[in-house]
Amino acid sequence: ELKVEQNPLFLSMQEGKNYTIYCNYSTTSDRLYWYRQDPGKSLESLFVLLSNGAVKQEGRLMASLDTKARLSTLHITAAVHDLSATYFCAVDIHAGKSTFGDGTTLTVKP
Amino acid sequence: AAGVIQSPRHLIKEKRETATLKCYPIPRHDTVYWYQQGPGQDPQFLISFYEKMQSDKGSIPDRFSAQQFSDYHSELNMSSLELGDSALYFCASSSRLAGDYEQYFGPGTRLTVT
Repeated sequence: ELKVEQNPLFLSMQEGKNYTIYCNYSTTSDRLYWYRQDPGKSLESLFVLLSNGAVKQEGRLMASLDTKARLSTLHITAAVHDLSATYFCAVDIHAGKSTFGDGTTLTVKP
Repeated sequence: AAGVIQSPRHLIKEKRETATLKCYPIPRHDTVYWYQQGPGQDPQFLISFYEKMQSDKGSIPDRFSAQQFSDYHSELNMSSLELGDSALYFCASSSRLAGDYEQYFGPGTRLTVT
Protein backbone atom coordinates (compact mmCIF):
# COMPACT_ATOMS: atom_id res chain seq x y z
CA GLU A 1 0.00 0.00 0.00
CA LEU A 2 1.34 3.40 -0.99
CA LYS A 3 2.06 5.73 1.92
CA VAL A 4 2.66 9.44 1.48
CA GLU A 5 4.11 11.42 4.36
CA GLN A 6 4.45 15.15 4.56
CA ASN A 7 6.33 17.16 7.08
CA PRO A 8 5.92 19.37 8.82
CA LEU A 9 2.15 19.16 9.27
CA PHE A 10 1.99 22.68 10.64
CA LEU A 11 4.30 25.52 9.77
CA SER A 12 4.28 29.06 11.09
CA MET A 13 6.60 31.41 9.25
CA GLN A 14 7.52 35.04 9.37
CA GLU A 15 7.06 37.04 6.21
CA GLY A 16 10.23 37.21 4.17
CA LYS A 17 11.62 33.90 5.41
CA ASN A 18 12.36 30.74 3.45
CA TYR A 19 11.23 27.22 4.27
CA THR A 20 10.85 23.77 2.75
CA ILE A 21 8.01 21.24 2.96
CA TYR A 22 8.95 17.61 2.45
CA CYS A 23 6.94 14.80 0.86
CA ASN A 24 8.12 11.20 1.14
CA TYR A 25 6.40 8.27 -0.52
CA SER A 26 6.83 4.55 -0.15
CA THR A 27 6.71 3.01 -3.65
CA THR A 28 7.72 3.83 -7.19
CA SER A 29 5.41 6.42 -8.68
CA ASP A 30 4.35 7.65 -12.10
CA ARG A 31 3.96 11.25 -11.07
CA LEU A 32 3.72 13.60 -8.12
CA TYR A 33 1.47 16.61 -7.64
CA TRP A 34 1.45 19.60 -5.33
CA TYR A 35 -1.84 21.31 -4.52
CA ARG A 36 -2.90 24.32 -2.53
CA GLN A 37 -6.16 24.42 -0.59
CA ASP A 38 -7.67 27.41 1.18
CA PRO A 39 -10.13 26.69 4.03
CA GLY A 40 -13.43 25.30 2.72
CA LYS A 41 -12.26 25.67 -0.87
CA SER A 42 -11.25 23.37 -3.67
CA LEU A 43 -7.78 22.14 -4.55
CA GLU A 44 -5.66 24.27 -6.82
CA SER A 45 -3.01 22.45 -8.83
CA LEU A 46 0.42 23.99 -8.33
CA PHE A 47 2.87 21.57 -9.92
CA VAL A 48 2.97 18.22 -11.70
CA LEU A 49 6.36 16.47 -11.51
CA LEU A 50 6.94 13.60 -13.88
CA SER A 51 10.58 12.61 -13.85
CA ASN A 52 13.60 12.33 -11.64
CA GLY A 53 15.32 15.65 -11.16
CA ALA A 54 12.27 17.64 -12.28
CA VAL A 55 12.21 21.16 -10.92
CA LYS A 56 9.38 23.62 -11.44
CA GLN A 57 8.97 27.17 -10.18
CA GLU A 58 6.04 29.51 -9.99
CA GLY A 59 6.46 32.79 -8.17
CA ARG A 60 7.75 32.17 -4.65
CA LEU A 61 7.19 28.40 -4.85
CA MET A 62 9.59 25.83 -6.27
CA ALA A 63 9.01 22.09 -6.36
CA SER A 64 11.51 19.32 -7.04
CA LEU A 65 11.40 15.55 -7.36
CA ASP A 66 13.98 12.89 -6.53
CA THR A 67 12.46 9.57 -7.59
CA LYS A 68 15.41 7.54 -6.30
CA ALA A 69 14.96 8.94 -2.80
CA ARG A 70 11.16 8.96 -3.25
CA LEU A 71 11.19 12.54 -2.07
CA SER A 72 9.68 15.78 -3.28
CA THR A 73 10.21 19.21 -1.79
CA LEU A 74 8.19 22.41 -1.98
CA HIS A 75 10.41 25.38 -1.26
CA ILE A 76 8.95 28.71 -0.24
CA THR A 77 11.05 31.79 -0.85
CA ALA A 78 10.46 35.09 0.96
CA ALA A 79 7.04 34.08 2.24
CA VAL A 80 4.14 36.50 2.08
CA HIS A 81 0.81 36.36 3.90
CA ASP A 82 -1.05 35.35 0.72
CA LEU A 83 0.76 32.00 0.80
CA SER A 84 -1.07 30.99 3.98
CA ALA A 85 -3.00 27.81 3.06
CA THR A 86 -2.79 24.03 3.30
CA TYR A 87 -0.42 22.37 0.85
CA PHE A 88 -0.87 18.76 -0.19
CA CYS A 89 1.40 16.49 -2.13
CA ALA A 90 -0.22 13.57 -3.95
CA VAL A 91 1.31 10.57 -5.67
CA ASP A 92 0.01 8.34 -8.46
CA ILE A 93 1.18 4.73 -8.59
CA HIS A 94 -0.79 4.32 -11.77
CA ALA A 95 -2.72 6.76 -13.85
CA GLY A 96 -5.21 8.76 -11.92
CA LYS A 97 -5.41 7.02 -8.54
CA SER A 98 -3.86 9.64 -6.32
CA THR A 99 -2.86 9.12 -2.72
CA PHE A 100 -2.55 12.35 -0.77
CA GLY A 101 -0.28 13.28 2.09
CA ASP A 102 -1.79 14.64 5.29
CA GLY A 103 -1.19 18.22 4.20
CA THR A 104 0.95 21.02 5.60
CA THR A 105 -0.93 23.97 7.05
CA LEU A 106 1.16 27.06 6.46
CA THR A 107 0.60 30.29 8.34
CA VAL A 108 2.65 33.30 7.32
CA LYS A 109 2.79 36.03 9.94
CA PRO A 110 3.75 39.66 9.39
CA ALA B 1 -11.68 28.94 -19.43
CA ALA B 2 -14.35 26.41 -18.52
CA GLY B 3 -13.86 24.61 -15.23
CA VAL B 4 -15.27 21.52 -13.60
CA ILE B 5 -18.85 22.07 -12.47
CA GLN B 6 -20.36 20.29 -9.50
CA SER B 7 -23.93 20.37 -8.28
CA PRO B 8 -25.36 20.89 -5.85
CA ARG B 9 -22.79 22.93 -3.94
CA HIS B 10 -24.41 22.19 -0.60
CA LEU B 11 -26.65 19.32 0.41
CA ILE B 12 -28.27 18.46 3.71
CA LYS B 13 -29.70 14.98 4.17
CA GLU B 14 -30.88 12.87 7.05
CA LYS B 15 -29.50 9.50 8.06
CA ARG B 16 -30.60 6.63 5.83
CA GLU B 17 -31.58 8.98 3.00
CA THR B 18 -30.01 8.92 -0.46
CA ALA B 19 -28.06 11.63 -2.28
CA THR B 20 -26.91 12.16 -5.84
CA LEU B 21 -23.94 14.38 -6.64
CA LYS B 22 -23.28 15.53 -10.19
CA CYS B 23 -20.06 16.45 -11.94
CA TYR B 24 -19.57 18.07 -15.34
CA PRO B 25 -15.94 17.79 -16.47
CA ILE B 26 -14.01 20.32 -18.48
CA PRO B 27 -15.03 19.99 -22.17
CA ARG B 28 -13.00 17.35 -24.04
CA HIS B 29 -11.72 15.81 -20.80
CA ASP B 30 -12.21 12.05 -20.88
CA THR B 31 -11.49 11.10 -17.26
CA VAL B 32 -13.41 11.90 -14.11
CA TYR B 33 -12.30 11.28 -10.52
CA TRP B 34 -14.25 11.44 -7.26
CA TYR B 35 -12.68 12.26 -3.89
CA GLN B 36 -14.06 12.53 -0.36
CA GLN B 37 -12.51 14.95 2.12
CA GLY B 38 -13.62 14.79 5.73
CA PRO B 39 -13.10 17.72 8.11
CA GLY B 40 -9.39 18.30 8.66
CA GLN B 41 -8.53 15.30 6.50
CA ASP B 42 -6.74 14.82 3.22
CA PRO B 43 -8.78 13.92 0.13
CA GLN B 44 -9.47 10.21 -0.24
CA PHE B 45 -9.77 8.76 -3.72
CA LEU B 46 -13.13 7.06 -4.29
CA ILE B 47 -13.41 6.08 -7.94
CA SER B 48 -12.50 7.18 -11.46
CA PHE B 49 -13.87 6.74 -14.95
CA TYR B 50 -12.12 6.84 -18.30
CA GLU B 51 -14.21 7.04 -21.46
CA LYS B 52 -17.32 6.07 -19.51
CA MET B 53 -15.77 2.91 -18.06
CA GLN B 54 -14.70 2.49 -14.44
CA SER B 55 -10.95 2.94 -14.35
CA ASP B 56 -9.83 2.70 -10.74
CA LYS B 57 -11.52 2.11 -7.45
CA GLY B 58 -10.42 3.36 -4.08
CA SER B 59 -12.04 3.46 -0.67
CA ILE B 60 -15.59 3.74 -1.92
CA PRO B 61 -18.21 2.17 0.37
CA ASP B 62 -20.56 -0.42 -1.10
CA ARG B 63 -23.42 1.99 -0.36
CA PHE B 64 -22.01 4.33 -2.97
CA SER B 65 -22.09 3.86 -6.72
CA ALA B 66 -21.03 6.04 -9.60
CA GLN B 67 -21.15 6.17 -13.34
CA GLN B 68 -20.08 8.31 -16.25
CA PHE B 69 -22.62 9.06 -18.95
CA SER B 70 -22.34 9.42 -22.72
CA ASP B 71 -21.90 13.20 -22.38
CA TYR B 72 -19.01 12.51 -19.93
CA HIS B 73 -20.78 13.92 -16.91
CA SER B 74 -20.65 11.73 -13.84
CA GLU B 75 -22.92 11.07 -10.90
CA LEU B 76 -22.08 9.74 -7.46
CA ASN B 77 -25.03 8.02 -5.83
CA MET B 78 -24.96 7.57 -2.08
CA SER B 79 -27.52 5.47 -0.23
CA SER B 80 -28.28 4.70 3.42
CA LEU B 81 -26.40 7.84 4.40
CA GLU B 82 -24.52 7.81 7.68
CA LEU B 83 -23.31 10.69 9.84
CA GLY B 84 -19.74 9.81 8.84
CA ASP B 85 -20.54 10.53 5.19
CA SER B 86 -20.60 14.25 6.00
CA ALA B 87 -17.71 15.63 3.98
CA LEU B 88 -16.65 17.66 1.00
CA TYR B 89 -16.94 15.66 -2.21
CA PHE B 90 -14.71 16.75 -5.05
CA CYS B 91 -14.84 15.80 -8.65
CA ALA B 92 -11.80 16.30 -10.87
CA SER B 93 -11.24 15.79 -14.57
CA SER B 94 -8.28 15.27 -16.86
CA SER B 95 -7.50 14.52 -20.48
CA ARG B 96 -5.81 11.13 -20.31
CA LEU B 97 -5.95 10.51 -24.05
CA ALA B 98 -3.98 13.69 -24.58
CA GLY B 99 -1.39 12.47 -22.09
CA ASP B 100 -2.31 15.20 -19.62
CA TYR B 101 -2.79 13.58 -16.24
CA GLU B 102 -3.08 16.85 -14.34
CA GLN B 103 -6.34 16.78 -12.43
CA TYR B 104 -8.51 19.87 -12.39
CA PHE B 105 -10.76 19.98 -9.37
CA GLY B 106 -14.30 21.28 -9.14
CA PRO B 107 -15.52 23.50 -6.30
CA GLY B 108 -16.88 20.54 -4.36
CA THR B 109 -20.22 19.54 -2.87
CA ARG B 110 -20.52 19.91 0.87
CA LEU B 111 -22.70 17.09 2.17
CA THR B 112 -24.07 17.29 5.69
CA VAL B 113 -25.86 14.27 7.09
CA THR B 114 -27.99 14.93 10.20
